[in-house]
Amino acid sequence: RKEVEQDPGPFNVPEGATVAFNCTYSNSASQSFFWYRQDCRKEPKLLMSVYSSGNEDGRFTAQLNRASQYISLLIRDSKLSDSATYLCVVNEGFQKLVFGTGTRLLVSP
Amino acid sequence: EAGVAQSPRYKIIEKRQSVAFWCNPISGHATLYWYQQILGQGPKLLIQFQNNGVVDDSQLPKDRFSAERLKGVDSTLKIQPAKLEDSAVYLCASSYRLAGNYNEQFFGPGTRLTVL
Repeated sequence: RKEVEQDPGPFNVPEGATVAFNCTYSNSASQSFFWYRQDCRKEPKLLMSVYSSGNEDGRFTAQLNRASQYISLLIRDSKLSDSATYLCVVNEGFQKLVFGTGTRLLVSP
Repeated sequence: EAGVAQSPRYKIIEKRQSVAFWCNPISGHATLYWYQQILGQGPKLLIQFQNNGVVDDSQLPKDRFSAERLKGVDSTLKIQPAKLEDSAVYLCASSYRLAGNYNEQFFGPGTRLTVL
């Protein structure tokens, strides 16, 4: 079983749509959780941290369910500029990050 | 503020040759990481340094890969000899420190290695 599992997609959505990505992780001792964004042929960049209480940053909402070892990302009102790969990331301690394979999002006009 | 610098950006070599990558982290960042990202996969941690000491190298193929950070600033990752399956992007990242709450890791642009 992979440590961090994501649906690779691609998710093809029209502008303005709402899209949700899910991720599961296997290490129950994992300490913190993130979503990173990676544009084509670019480096990953931190999008947002994920908390059990849920957190929102503009059009983006992230949620963590520790009991189910499940992480989600919701993007509302999709923009063309949201097209990218979204990486689910787990910190297993001492800043050791484990990345999922990423979910590719394509937003079309 | 300058970001993480890496060179070269691209490298093409033949199998069994050697190659080295260089990384200069963000000034003041004590922790440095090397990741390997194979096409279609997420980055995989190869080695993690705190200053000039190795924190985690459990996923580094030590028979062919080596890395150093002698003065606790710049780092070099070497592959000798290269195999076809080493074709990947090698990403360097740095963060402010190791201890305490999570410190964001900032990634460099990567070195794209092709082994023929």
